[in-house]
Amino acid sequence: DGGITQSPKYLFRKEGQNVTLSCEQNLNHDAMYWYRQDPGQGLRLIYYSQIVNDFQKGDIAEGYSVSREKKESFPLTVTSAQKNPTAFYLCASSISRNTEAFFGQGTRLTVV
Amino acid sequence: AQSVTQLDSQVPVFEEAPVELRCNYSSSVSVYLFWYVQYPNQGLQLLLKYLSGSTLVESINGFEAEFNKSQTSFHLRKPSVHISDTAEYFCAVIFTGTASKLTFGTGTRLQVTL
Repeated sequence: DGGITQSPKYLFRKEGQNVTLSCEQNLNHDAMYWYRQDPGQGLRLIYYSQIVNDFQKGDIAEGYSVSREKKESFPLTVTSAQKNPTAFYLCASSISRNTEAFFGQGTRLTVV
Repeated sequence: AQSVTQLDSQVPVFEEAPVELRCNYSSSVSVYLFWYVQYPNQGLQLLLKYLSGSTLVESINGFEAEFNKSQTSFHLRKPSVHISDTAEYFCAVIFTGTASKLTFGTGTRLQVTL
């Protein structure tokens, strides 16, 4: 089945540790996105990539990093510089710009 | 400034009643419009979209939305809701241009009760 796979679904980390969230898609989409969701704030864009080996900062990129070495993969690293990392993280992809995005099932990160 | 507004954070409604979830946007460029639905602890699912053509778009499960350019709105409606429609609904907009990407509203929680 084609789709977007995020792993793991739940993730716990100690404060000060970096953590990497996985996102893989087999839809052959060019564009991929990372969003952060907090209660009452909707989805906020962290990073996006429209082509392999290229990515741009979204609205809340501080404390996060990404890579896009392969078309199907777009991992997100939450660094220790992120002040409030506990949140629900959603990965998405789209065929190109100006088209709808398809979402993975999300990763809930809890930092203690 | 470009923005997406969902004024209602929660909408309670009885089963079989009609519902309207409001979405307004602010933009100086042309837009593409979307509604997504999210069930607890899951990702977002595309409900319907407006890219061009007819301003009234429909989903397979009875929802519809109408693009109103003069009022910069894209309200979501359903004539008769079901318990299973209980979820969070997000309006999203692509503001066309060099950095086209989805911008989301803050969401509306639809709570359907008997």
